[in-house]
Amino acid sequence: TQLLEQSPQFLSIQEGENLTVYCNSSSVFSSLQWYRQEPGEGPVLLVTVVTGGEVKKLKRLTFQFGDARKDSSLHITAAQPGDTGLYLCAGWFPNNNDMRFGAGTRLTVKP
Amino acid sequence: GAGVSQSPSNKVTEKGKDVELRCDPISGHTALYWYRQSLGQGLEFLIYFQGNSAPDKSGLPSDRFSAERTGGSVSTLTIQRTQQEDSAVYLCASSLGLSSGRPLYEQYFGPGTRLTVT
Repeated sequence: TQLLEQSPQFLSIQEGENLTVYCNSSSVFSSLQWYRQEPGEGPVLLVTVVTGGEVKKLKRLTFQFGDARKDSSLHITAAQPGDTGLYLCAGWFPNNNDMRFGAGTRLTVKP
Repeated sequence: GAGVSQSPSNKVTEKGKDVELRCDPISGHTALYWYRQSLGQGLEFLIYFQGNSAPDKSGLPSDRFSAERTGGSVSTLTIQRTQQEDSAVYLCASSLGLSSGRPLYEQYFGPGTRLTVT
């Protein structure tokens, strides 16, 4: 059973469209991170959110942490083919004392 | 400086053989993490090191898995008597530090070792 549920699992869109992917849990996170992973490489950190309700922007990417710190979303505006990749959320669960990753959303942006 | 490196990049082994995977963290990073990523899955946390010590080994999938870190630098993940279900990409990450197992600062990942057990 995944502690972190990501949706959708797959997403294929045209260049210029907007999209949102979600990361949900029934548990409270101490902190949550979003990563992007390309084939044959390790994940690369995009952002860390710590405070409930926090919103962080990174160019065309907007990250939001839920007020209860149980969920998060990643919104991409005007997607580009370079955004293609596997987007992973990861949360630190203090009760388990470890970091858990979601299964990821595989995004394909077609030119 | 160099990032996290892992070797080998690919390993094909026969069922029942032992394999050793190596991770070279970024110089100066005291924390080191091992993860496993199966096809179409997210990352499964295996073990972390604070310096040379691994406070919690409960994330290792079975007693066939072991890990060590010497000199506060290089780490090896050993899988004995490999099984087909061990096939996956094994990722290593390092960070400047941690507190009670929680990474402080960013984790930097290596490219992984793709293990295939035939």
